[in-house]
Amino acid sequence: DTAVSQTPKYLVTQMGNDKSIKCEQNLGHDTMYWYKQDSKKFLKIMFSYNNKELIINETVPNRFSPKSPDKAHLNLHINSLELGDSAVYFCASSPSGADTQYFGPGTRLTVL
Amino acid sequence: GENVEQHPSTLSVQEGDSAVIKCTYSDSASNYFPWYKQELGKRPQLIIDIRSNVGEKKDQRIAVTLNKTAKHFSLHITETQPEDSAVYFCAASKSTNAGKSTFGDGTTLTVKP
Repeated sequence: DTAVSQTPKYLVTQMGNDKSIKCEQNLGHDTMYWYKQDSKKFLKIMFSYNNKELIINETVPNRFSPKSPDKAHLNLHINSLELGDSAVYFCASSPSGADTQYFGPGTRLTVL
Repeated sequence: GENVEQHPSTLSVQEGDSAVIKCTYSDSASNYFPWYKQELGKRPQLIIDIRSNVGEKKDQRIAVTLNKTAKHFSLHITETQPEDSAVYFCAASKSTNAGKSTFGDGTTLTVKP
């Protein structure tokens, strides 16, 4: 009964490829997020969705496209992968905006 | 937008000592301040939080204090143990900002046995 799950856990790919990361939460939360954590451990928000609607889109290259088919799922598709995209990507959810966030286990993306 | 500064970036203490991590925020409308602990290779997890209508909150060895006037909040860990070693993140958010939490840059705490 995992609360927030992500797949895959590890992703190794070549530059220029397109890849997707999937996220699902079974907590009934309205808000979901994608974060990028780089090698320096900084945790930076990329996107936030509330009830399938995009709320926050930080200065992220448009090669990154989030998709929320329903409020329990938020997927991240990345086109034309670059070396600098290598990082750990965390999905998270919360009941509302100003509330505890529950993080998924992370997806370690390595671009070669 | 909100800016959160966290200090120190690294902190090393002896087991049994106290550890204090401080964060300042810029948006006076922020009203929710969580602290997350991230162990090596794991996900960030909430350890304690405080809302703007409260000045202090304690949970066993962990406490958080909030000074709204000065716009800073602090995490206090007493009687530290080696398992407290982790990266700690503070964050700030507000109810009217529909989902955006701004995180500090993290503090790597090492507790030496």
